[in-house]
Amino acid sequence: KAGVTQTPRYLIKTRGQQVTLSCSPISGHRSVSWYQQTPGQGLQFLFEYFSETQRNKGNFPGRFSGRQFSNSRSEMNVSTLELGDSALYLCASSYTGTGIDEQYFGPGTRLTVT
Amino acid sequence: GEDVEQSLFLSVREGDSSVINCTYTDSSSTYLYWYKQEPGAGLQLLTYIFSNMDMKQDQRLTVLLNKKDKHLSLRIADTQTGDSAIYFCAESNTNTGTASKLTFGTGTRLQVTL
Repeated sequence: KAGVTQTPRYLIKTRGQQVTLSCSPISGHRSVSWYQQTPGQGLQFLFEYFSETQRNKGNFPGRFSGRQFSNSRSEMNVSTLELGDSALYLCASSYTGTGIDEQYFGPGTRLTVT
Repeated sequence: GEDVEQSLFLSVREGDSSVINCTYTDSSSTYLYWYKQEPGAGLQLLTYIFSNMDMKQDQRLTVLLNKKDKHLSLRIADTQTGDSAIYFCAESNTNTGTASKLTFGTGTRLQVTL
């Protein structure tokens, strides 16, 4: 069965622009979570979607948003990019996101903001 | 808020045991996890332990949990060069509504030498 896929894998944007990242979960998985990974802050939870609804949110500014479609695919959007948004963005999917439901991570999208 | 701490680096010889340590602050942690990240890849769940357990063994991996001291360790027996990676400790609790919101440690880079 195919794993979690993220597109694009690499992205270079300029300060002030906006960006959309995509995540396709494993077939049958309905929960998708997003994380930001930076050398300074480590891995931080952005948000989680389940059945097209945001179920949980981390401590990020409103410039970070997401959505989930009826086929469970998810997108995250970052508006008005700042240099500090340069990071590896990881998405993870699981069946329900509850209990010990294992989360499977994608390879990530590396975003560079110049 | 929750905080998870790990030492940054560990070097071991091939064939020796590796012990990676982690401390956490959230006393309501329900699940504790160990993830592995190899260069250019996402995160792979290695093992997990419920907060009401003391120990869990899974082939070469042994997880020990001292709930009183909020200390978690991962022991890798017979460490191989393929074990070289960054290891993350993570916790979640059902107080957030789901177990999908993971709080990660800073990661420990394991280097295996010949």
